[in-house]
Amino acid sequence: AQRVTQPEKLLSVFKGAPVELKCNYSYSGSPELFWYVQYSRQRLQLLLRHISRESIKGFTADLNKGETSFHLKKPFAQEEDSAMYYCALNPMDSSYKLIFGSGTRLLVRP
Amino acid sequence: DAGITQSPRHKVTETGTPVTLRCHQTENHRYMYWYRQDPGHGLRLIHYSYGVKDTDKGEVSDGYSVSRSKTEDFLLTLESATSSQTSVYFCASRDRVTEAFFGQGTRLTVV
Repeated sequence: AQRVTQPEKLLSVFKGAPVELKCNYSYSGSPELFWYVQYSRQRLQLLLRHISRESIKGFTADLNKGETSFHLKKPFAQEEDSAMYYCALNPMDSSYKLIFGSGTRLLVRP
Repeated sequence: DAGITQSPRHKVTETGTPVTLRCHQTENHRYMYWYRQDPGHGLRLIHYSYGVKDTDKGEVSDGYSVSRSKTEDFLLTLESATSSQTSVYFCASRDRVTEAFFGQGTRLTVV
């Protein structure tokens, strides 16, 4: 079954601390993976796409096929990073749909 | 942001009434999706469309139907609303090479 697991519902860190939001997936093929961010009561926005290997707002994520993980990292958290973060998988079938994890709320304290 | 808008943004309706939510995109994207967002569940796919008049069920399609008569419009209908359908609904669109772009969401309350 295709599944995305985000084990942490809430991650609370202090400003300036490193952040790692975990994402594991189950999929037998070569998926396309994304991180989306949702600031308070706003629409979801793309943060990262694994094939682009870009760093957006200081965030990076590396696809580890052996561990089936796509963890999101930032070395120094900022208060404006507080948001809901969703990991998503595109199973590369004809639907081009996204399968989402349950999300992790990141709270960066001053 | 890609031009994708949802209407209405907020709605309160009574149990048993039909409700239609509208998604409109101006990007000529082929694929469109309806998700519901609930605490602890993230976003779950209700229905999707891969072209005009071409739709298919997602993970949580019971009690919902969709229609796509034009590329730009994707309608979600709750045939007889129930309290379990109280949620925030998001529409999204994409093409094969683009990311998925999301609407602002519709907050639906069924009383």
